[in-house]
Amino acid sequence: SYEVTQPPSVSVSPGQTARITCSGDALPKQYAYWYQQKSGLAPVVVIYKDTERPSGIPERFSGSISGTTVTLTISGVQAEDEADYYCQSADSSGTYRVFGGGTKLTVL
Amino acid sequence: QVQLVESGGGVVQPGRSLRLSCAASGFTFSSYSLHWVRQAPGKGLEWVAFMSYDGINKYYADSVKGRFTISRDNSKNTLYLQMNSLRGDDTAVYYCTREARDYGYDFWGQGTLVTVSS
Repeated sequence: SYEVTQPPSVSVSPGQTARITCSGDALPKQYAYWYQQKSGLAPVVVIYKDTERPSGIPERFSGSISGTTVTLTISGVQAEDEADYYCQSADSSGTYRVFGGGTKLTVL
Repeated sequence: QVQLVESGGGVVQPGRSLRLSCAASGFTFSSYSLHWVRQAPGKGLEWVAFMSYDGINKYYADSVKGRFTISRDNSKNTLYLQMNSLRGDDTAVYYCTREARDYGYDFWGQGTLVTVSS
């Protein structure tokens, strides 16, 4: 079955830039989405269609794609950004959805 | 406002069945595809099942195929997940989520906990 791969953890100091990658063979063909999940809460979409930011999501969140890798970038990280982040996409047919294993962002 | 409210979770013995419900409000239910996503304790998100807005298309993760059945009643604005032959690794919080085309999962329920244990 299709998989997308994320690093398990990323650590940055406040004000620095955090980058979380997600790799998968079908990413050039299928959109990627990024979800932020804080402890005990349901996920919230922070990036859709690879690079788009929903209304209400701070401008410091951005997405990019290069080949088979998508990247979530958080510029000027704040303490409130500490959370788990999940990449989500679909297989090449667009039928089966998949989540990455999640990346725990720690703000030092 | 959009609301998704899951119910039906609980403790169940291995091999038994359980049916989850997701009651929707605040939007035109019959216009949206819906999914079930689960999260085992301390683990990541796992996509479980999809049902198209009209109920015609259904897809399942390999881990639940043949055991779980997704369905919906557009007249009751409710999504269901029938879970049979439950196993310990099905223990998780189960979320109902709405898919807005190209916008991802834009609304989620609060989740309902299913614990499979003897």
